Amino acid sequence: EAGVTQFPSHSVIEKGQTVTLRCDPISGHDNLYWYRRVMGKEIKFLLHFVKESKQDESGMPNNRFLAERTGGTYSTLKVQPAELEDSGVYFCASSSGQPPGTQYFGPGTRLLVL
Amino acid sequence: AQSVTQLGSHVSVSEGALVLLRCNYSSSVPPYLFWYVQYPNQGLQLLLKYTSAATLVKGINGFEAEFKKSETSFHLTKPSAHMSDAAEYFCAVSDPSGYSTLTFGKGTMLLVSP
Repeated sequence: EAGVTQFPSHSVIEKGQTVTLRCDPISGHDNLYWYRRVMGKEIKFLLHFVKESKQDESGMPNNRFLAERTGGTYSTLKVQPAELEDSGVYFCASSSGQPPGTQYFGPGTRLLVL
Repeated sequence: AQSVTQLGSHVSVSEGALVLLRCNYSSSVPPYLFWYVQYPNQGLQLLLKYTSAATLVKGINGFEAEFKKSETSFHLTKPSAHMSDAAEYFCAVSDPSGYSTLTFGKGTMLLVSP
């Protein structure tokens, strides 16, 4: 069974540009989470989808971040326009069940904003 | 609100020595607790989890952790370190009555010397 996949693995962009990160969860997992780790800090929750609906987006830092989950399958996280402080590692995780079970993480996308 | 404190951003041990990584949590409800590991250039992998069953939890690769409610701790141990254990370890807590959003500690880098 394929695990959680994320694309790209690395992205280097300039301040003011737009970047879109993609996450493909484990097949059949209704719950999809985004987390972020800024350098030197802890991994922090961004938002949670149940199927295509946003269950909790309390961790989204501001309105430059837009997450979508088309048809309840893969998810994208767009940052527009990117700022220097957006640099970090963005993790995606998925889980099954209600209430959700164990979260399985992807390898992360390393974003560097110059 | 929940929080996790991991004592020591770096822990160094010799191969064959005991590994002890400390985790203390704060939670207003009986929590679920997790240890994840991140090997270089990989994603987060679940080591073990406590979900209100046995207080001594055994995980993969010879690791175990003990839930101590009176001490609000969930320390990770391994009797004998291997070189391959060198990685970053994260303790996390979630509210079992919610949607399982994880709150992480800052991580502890385990260094293993020959």
